Amino acid sequence: EVQLVESGGVVVQPGGSLRLSCAASGFTFDDYAMHWVRQAPGKGLEWVSLISWDGGSTYYADSVKGRFTISRDNSKNSLYLQMNSLRAEDTALYYCAKDGRIAVAAGYFDYWGQGTLVTVSS
Amino acid sequence: EIVLTQSPGTLSLSPGERATLSCRASQSVSSSYLAWYQQKPGQAPRLLIYGASSRATGIPDRFSGSGSGTDFTLTISRLEPEDFAVYYCQQYGSSPPDTFGQGTKLEIK
Repeated sequence: EVQLVESGGVVVQPGGSLRLSCAASGFTFDDYAMHWVRQAPGKGLEWVSLISWDGGSTYYADSVKGRFTISRDNSKNSLYLQMNSLRAEDTALYYCAKDGRIAVAAGYFDYWGQGTLVTVSS
Repeated sequence: EIVLTQSPGTLSLSPGERATLSCRASQSVSSSYLAWYQQKPGQAPRLLIYGASSRATGIPDRFSGSGSGTDFTLTISRLEPEDFAVYYCQQYGSSPPDTFGQGTKLEIK
C-alpha cells in the first residue's frame, strides 16, 4: 500500500523558514518523480514544485520560485521542501504527491499524503 | 499559462441522478493530458481520471472522462451518497504542470 506521510508544518513568522518532510513507503521511491501541492484554507489546489526521480531536475511555481527548494533522499525514501522568506500567502496545507508515471514525470498525481499545515503569521 | 475554468461552480443533484461536470481550457491541452480529482472535506484529493478518459486504479466505472482540445467532461452516471464532494480538473500537458481548475462542488439536492 502506498503511503505518504508529511511532517514539519508549524506556525512561523513572516520572513521565517521551515523544512517540510514526506516519508514514502509502499512503492519504489526512486522510480518516480515527486511533487508538493498546497491548498490555502477554504481554497483550491495549487501545484508548488516537482523533482525528478533522481533529483536532477526541479521545477517551481512562479509564486515560490527563488524562495522554496525541493529535494529528495532516495536512500531514505524521503522528500523535502525547504521554505524560506515565508509570506502570509504561503499559509496552506502542503501535500506530498507521487507522480503517476514511472521514470519520466507525467505531471499528474496518483497518490497523496494527508498534508501538513503551514501557518505564516506574526 | 493555460487557465482552466470549471462549470458549474456548484451542482445540486440527488442520489441516482447523472452528474456532468465541465472543464474548459484557455488553450488546447496537449495530448489530452487532463486529470480529474475528487476531494471530500478533511481529506486529500483522490485521482479519478488521467489522460482525459483513463480511470485510475480502484475507481468505479460510474465515473467517466471525455473530451479533447479545450473541452473536457467528467460524468458520474448514477450518483452514490459518497460522490458528493468537490471535483478539480488539472492539465499536465505543459511542463511543469501548474494548472488546476477552481473546482466544482457537487452537493446533495
